[in-house]
Amino acid sequence: QKEVEQDPGPLSVPEGAIVSLNCTYSNSAFQYFMWYRQYSRKGPELLMYTYSSGNKEDGRFTAQVDKSSKYISLFIRDSQPSDSATYLCAMGGGSGGSNYKLTFGKGTLLTVNP
Amino acid sequence: SAVISQKPSRDICQRGTSLTIQCQVDSQVTMMFWYRQQPGQSLTLIATANQGSEATYESGFVIDKFPISRPNLTFSTLTVSNMSPEDSSIYLCSVGARGQETQYFGPGTRLLVL
Repeated sequence: QKEVEQDPGPLSVPEGAIVSLNCTYSNSAFQYFMWYRQYSRKGPELLMYTYSSGNKEDGRFTAQVDKSSKYISLFIRDSQPSDSATYLCAMGGGSGGSNYKLTFGKGTLLTVNP
Repeated sequence: SAVISQKPSRDICQRGTSLTIQCQVDSQVTMMFWYRQQPGQSLTLIATANQGSEATYESGFVIDKFPISRPNLTFSTLTVSNMSPEDSSIYLCSVGARGQETQYFGPGTRLLVL
C-alpha cells in the first residue's frame, strides 16, 4: 500500500459546482497536511496548509483533515474555470521526526467547464 | 513566499550527455530540495541540498547520476549525468518554509532525452 493515495481523475465539473478532492494515507506519523495547485507547465503552488484535525477555510477553499480516519479533503466552492489544474495533496513530519520530508499524492486533474 | 527561478525551463538532449539545472532563490534559505515529476507519478524527492555540506540522497538516487552543488544560501544546481530516455521528466527545485514544515516550488525544468 502506498503511503498516500489520491484518485488521479480526471474530474470534470460545471462552473459553480462544489468540488471535493480527497487523499488517504497510511502513515499515522504524518503531522502536516498540504494541498498544492499545479497549472499546466508550471510548478506546484502551495494552496492550503494545516497541521490539525478539523477544517481550515481560505476564501472558496476549505481543507479538512481527519487524522482518525487518515483522510484529508479539499473543497472548492463556486468553482471557476481558473480553478482548472492538477491538485496535489502532500504530507510531512512522518519520517522519523524529519519535518522537511514531504510525501505527495499523484494529483487529481480538475477541469471546470464554463 | 520565496520567488524561485530555474534555468533552463526546458531542454531536449541526446542520450549519453549531461545537463545542469540551476535554481535561484530571491532570499537566503537553509534547505533546498530537488524533485522529479514523471507523468502519472507522484513528485519524488531526489535529494536535499544544504549549504556547506554534502547533499543527502533518497533511496534510488545516487550522487554519480545526480550530482548537486550548493555554493551559497540562494543557489543550487542539479546535474543529470549520462542521460537516457528514462530521465525524461520535469525536475523541480523547492525551498523549505514555515520552519521547514512545507515547501515552495520553482517553475520546473522540462527535460526530454532522445
